Amino acid sequence: GQQVMQIPQYQHVQEGEDFTTYCNSSTTLSNIQWYKQRPGGHPVFLIQLVKSGEVKKQKRLTFQFGEAKKNSSLHITATQTTDVGTYFCAGRGNTPLVFGKGTRLSVIA
Amino acid sequence: EAQVTQNPRYLITVTGKKLTVTCSQNMNHEYMSWYRQDPGLGLRQIYYSMNVEVTDKGDVPEGYKVSRKEKRNFPLILESPSPNQTSLYFCASRRTSGSIYNEQFFGPGTRLTVL
Repeated sequence: GQQVMQIPQYQHVQEGEDFTTYCNSSTTLSNIQWYKQRPGGHPVFLIQLVKSGEVKKQKRLTFQFGEAKKNSSLHITATQTTDVGTYFCAGRGNTPLVFGKGTRLSVIA
Repeated sequence: EAQVTQNPRYLITVTGKKLTVTCSQNMNHEYMSWYRQDPGLGLRQIYYSMNVEVTDKGDVPEGYKVSRKEKRNFPLILESPSPNQTSLYFCASRRTSGSIYNEQFFGPGTRLTVL
């Protein structure tokens, strides 16, 4: 079945450094979503990408969807302590939404 | 306030004692789903429902049951819980029509411990 791989599993950065998490699907996706889960919280929707090559920005966060619609990335510029949490990608192909295992981001002040 | 609610939030039980985790949403969403979250394994789907009286297995359905008698409610039933079902459970819902409405809303989670 459809698989969504996400790397890295963990990332520790100094405050102010950049951070990127990558998501790869075994099949072509119709869309991809990104969620953030704060420690002790529940996943919260960040964004959805639908078009091939699409790039969207939310303040310091930049989301990309690959040309082949099989990969995606989330880049955070100049991380802050408020960025701490686990970031999940979730892809939809011919199946219900499949989540990656997430990247846990730690930010050292 | 638009939300997904789950009860209980925390539960400690013993092997074999039937339990139900309730999930309710007030957004009139057609689609509802249950996930379990375990360290290093991310979110794995247990069951989902596209609408009332329509349910289907996710990736890890063994040991779980669900029902969807009403649009707003989607309870998760563990008929005979076992220790390997100790986990953090999330209920989620979303609309099924229109790409801008595909955002999934998650409940606050239920932390279950089976002794």
